[in-house]
Amino acid sequence: QVTLKESGPGILQPSQTLSLTCTFSGFSLSTYGMGVGWIRQPSGKGLEWLANIWWDDDKYYNPSLKNRLTISKDTSNNQAFLKITNVDTADTATYYCARITTDYFDYWGQGVMVTVSS
Amino acid sequence: EIVLTQSPTTMAASPGEKVTLTCLASSSVNYIYWYQQKSSASPKLLIYYTSSLASGVPDRFSGSGSGTSYSLTISSMEAEDAAIYYCLQLTSTPYTFGAGTKLELK
Repeated sequence: QVTLKESGPGILQPSQTLSLTCTFSGFSLSTYGMGVGWIRQPSGKGLEWLANIWWDDDKYYNPSLKNRLTISKDTSNNQAFLKITNVDTADTATYYCARITTDYFDYWGQGVMVTVSS
Repeated sequence: EIVLTQSPTTMAASPGEKVTLTCLASSSVNYIYWYQQKSSASPKLLIYYTSSLASGVPDRFSGSGSGTSYSLTISSMEAEDAAIYYCLQLTSTPYTFGAGTKLELK
């Protein structure tokens, strides 16, 4: 059974760094073809893809945020991470992690709400 | 960046009615993926590789299309199908989602 769960700070202030963790089970990020992606959704709005990391440590970022994003993984502990630097109110959203099998997102976490506010 | 335009933005369907949602890409894509999102839940995969039904998804859902024009069809609307539907392209980065179609029960 594949499950993913996101965790994060809940609330942070503008200019701070947002650190998110995706803890998963039912698959391994050391398996050929597997990956984890991060997607966010502001309240009442659509979905925005942020970044992917693959089993071979290959990484892809959304260019609109690339300089602010860092994705990484801890294969032994079944976790993936996303950092967003210099946050502002526009980064307020629900953040999801999702498994990538071969090349599409199949299982998603429940999401974690992040609010940026002074 | 490939822009996905979904139509309609909102629609309502009666139980038993056939529903067709459209996703148009600004450039040709290899495949389209469809997701269903209810209330504040996370998106659920419905269709992958344009027309393959994800595990556990009722067969009243189907997908079709090629190039820049894709569609999701519900053969017979049921109350539980009321949701927002998103299309997604993974042909080129940045991966992009359509803005969604909100499907309501009439």
